[in-house]
Amino acid sequence: AQSVAQPEDQVNVAEGNPLTVKCTYSVSGNPYLFWYVQYPNRGLQFLLKYITGDNLVKGSYGFEAEFNKSQTSFHLKKPSALVSDSALYFCAVRDYSGSARQLTFGSGTQLTVLP
Amino acid sequence: GAGVSQTPSNKVTEKGKYVELRCDPISGHTALYWYRQSLGQGPEFLIYFQGTGAADDSGLPNDRFFAVRPEGSVSTLKIQRTERGDSAVYLCASSVGQGKNEQFFGPGTRLTVL
Repeated sequence: AQSVAQPEDQVNVAEGNPLTVKCTYSVSGNPYLFWYVQYPNRGLQFLLKYITGDNLVKGSYGFEAEFNKSQTSFHLKKPSALVSDSALYFCAVRDYSGSARQLTFGSGTQLTVLP
Repeated sequence: GAGVSQTPSNKVTEKGKYVELRCDPISGHTALYWYRQSLGQGPEFLIYFQGTGAADDSGLPNDRFFAVRPEGSVSTLKIQRTERGDSAVYLCASSVGQGKNEQFFGPGTRLTVL
């Protein structure tokens, strides 16, 4: 079985400050990990993914995420937040050792960047 | 380029009616997924197609739900005898192959069952 936890429903940060959105996962084998962003009344947009290799993954719009196997975490980060980053963020996992091909998503974290 | 498209964008129906939701994936994407997203939740998997066949339908909640992809491109999600609990946003995604490749999502169909 595969699962994802996003422990924070809401994250507020001031514009220009660094931001972190937390994600932990659980899989039987090894994970593929993804971050998506959802703007109001729009579909999910892919931000970045971890497949293998370097634990620090860089993605779209200046976002990055760090894979930590010992802590089973994949936190999303950005050095300097923008008001336009305000949106709903979802972490997702797929166990590539398993038979499932679908993604399992967390419940989402609403990020609000305050001007 | 064209992304994943879904029609209709909104569908309002009455309890007990039949509905069809359509997904047009990115050209050349062999894998197609349906998810359902309820308010305040992340998307939940319904069914996955690889080509024309349903490779995994373990997420379909009951036999009122069915999906097809007859030519390996467009897919239709069909819901019979709709119930108020079926109200949600239905998302379609496609990807090149499967596994490590990211899925590209459509804008969704918001289904409201009165």
